[in-house]
Amino acid sequence: SQTIHQWPATLVQPVGSPLSLECTVEGTSNPNLYWYRQAAGRGLQLLFYSVGIGQISSEVPQNLSASRPQDRQFILSSKKLLLSDSGFYLCAWSVKGAHEQYFGPGTRLTVT
Amino acid sequence: DAKTTQPTSMDCAEGRAANLPCNHSTISGNEYVYWYRQIHSQGPQYIIHGLKNNETNEMASLIITEDRKSSTLILPHATLRDTAVYYCIVRVAVGFQKLVFGTGTRLLVSP
Repeated sequence: SQTIHQWPATLVQPVGSPLSLECTVEGTSNPNLYWYRQAAGRGLQLLFYSVGIGQISSEVPQNLSASRPQDRQFILSSKKLLLSDSGFYLCAWSVKGAHEQYFGPGTRLTVT
Repeated sequence: DAKTTQPTSMDCAEGRAANLPCNHSTISGNEYVYWYRQIHSQGPQYIIHGLKNNETNEMASLIITEDRKSSTLILPHATLRDTAVYYCIVRVAVGFQKLVFGTGTRLLVSP
């Protein structure tokens, strides 16, 4: 069966520090991968998606970047965190052509 | 993608059916209706989707009106674990799945 992992589960980082969040999917190959963010009290916002290794599309201009170095690995990064980067970050995957999207457990990031 | 409208919150007694409505009056002929839910502090969970026919799976039933302008998600026997925010999303099912989440309906199931 397929599983999705995200780490760390929680993170507290000072303003101006770098960020690296990792997401890996097991049990499938060539998935579509997604990064979402949910700010406190708000809905989920799609940040990045990837249809293959090295292929990244950004949905909103921001302080973050994403990379997909391997087929089932998706990384969210920042060189310098802002207070507004605080939120709940969710990775998700889907089979190409399928309707369902599956979400990971999320990383709760607090920038202080 | 078509815009959806959902009530902000709903209550349901444990063991009773929970009927969550969604309006999508501008839906196009090739757009599907998807339902996800998000339990507090967890990632969203796919529930069900449909195009025009009613659908049922082990989690819920989806009833889509004949004109497709509204739908209802039915949890036949709600439990306390069904307390969550339920999102109705309408989109074309081609290419990658860009899901646009609104504010959803907060369902509270009480004993």
